[in-house]
Amino acid sequence: LAKTTQPISMDSYEGQEVNITCSHNNIATNDYITWYQQFPSQGPRFIIQGYKTKVTNEVASLFIPADRKSSTLSLPRVSLSDTAVYYCLVGDIFYKLSFGAGTTVTVRA
Amino acid sequence: DTEVTQTPKHLVMGMTNKKSLKCEQHMGHRAMYWYKQKAKKPPELMFVYSYEKLSINESVPSRFSPECPNSSLLNLHLHALQPEDSALYLCASSQPTRGSSYEQYFGPGTRLTVT
Repeated sequence: LAKTTQPISMDSYEGQEVNITCSHNNIATNDYITWYQQFPSQGPRFIIQGYKTKVTNEVASLFIPADRKSSTLSLPRVSLSDTAVYYCLVGDIFYKLSFGAGTTVTVRA
Repeated sequence: DTEVTQTPKHLVMGMTNKKSLKCEQHMGHRAMYWYKQKAKKPPELMFVYSYEKLSINESVPSRFSPECPNSSLLNLHLHALQPEDSALYLCASSQPTRGSSYEQYFGPGTRLTVT
């Protein structure tokens, strides 16, 4: 399984853009990059998934450079309700999501 | 309907009890999962069912017994648990294709306390 490294925590303020970078130097050719969000005492929620270049949905954007050894999740104009743990996952084995430690994002007023 | 439901929300059981956790989804997903999450830790995969057949068991102790009676329902039978098994148990589902299997829909979890 490709190992991922992301910051343990990040602080931000309401209305700012938050960018979380995840390193995955050993990513394999067939791997997808997936991000999840989790609030306390709730199940994780799928945010976005990509393979290369840029993916955008109504919640976030995912930037993946050509070498795919890292990816950046961008959360535009965060609010207090975006305070959560964000997990970067790299898919290697069919069905298996391996969650790393995640990044705790705290948004302040 | 993009919801995965889990019952009960909370469960307290003694080490000699037998109990079951239930998970249900009506999204037509043919892959279903059980995860265990300890406080302030990431979720850990326990079991995967694909087309109602057990496809992955992550070396989980036999005191945890999964069951998939049909494509919408997933159970986790618990027997002779230990206090260290206290955790949030999460169920998830997805389409059983390579890219889609990483887009999993999680339920709210069952908070289990073993006394």
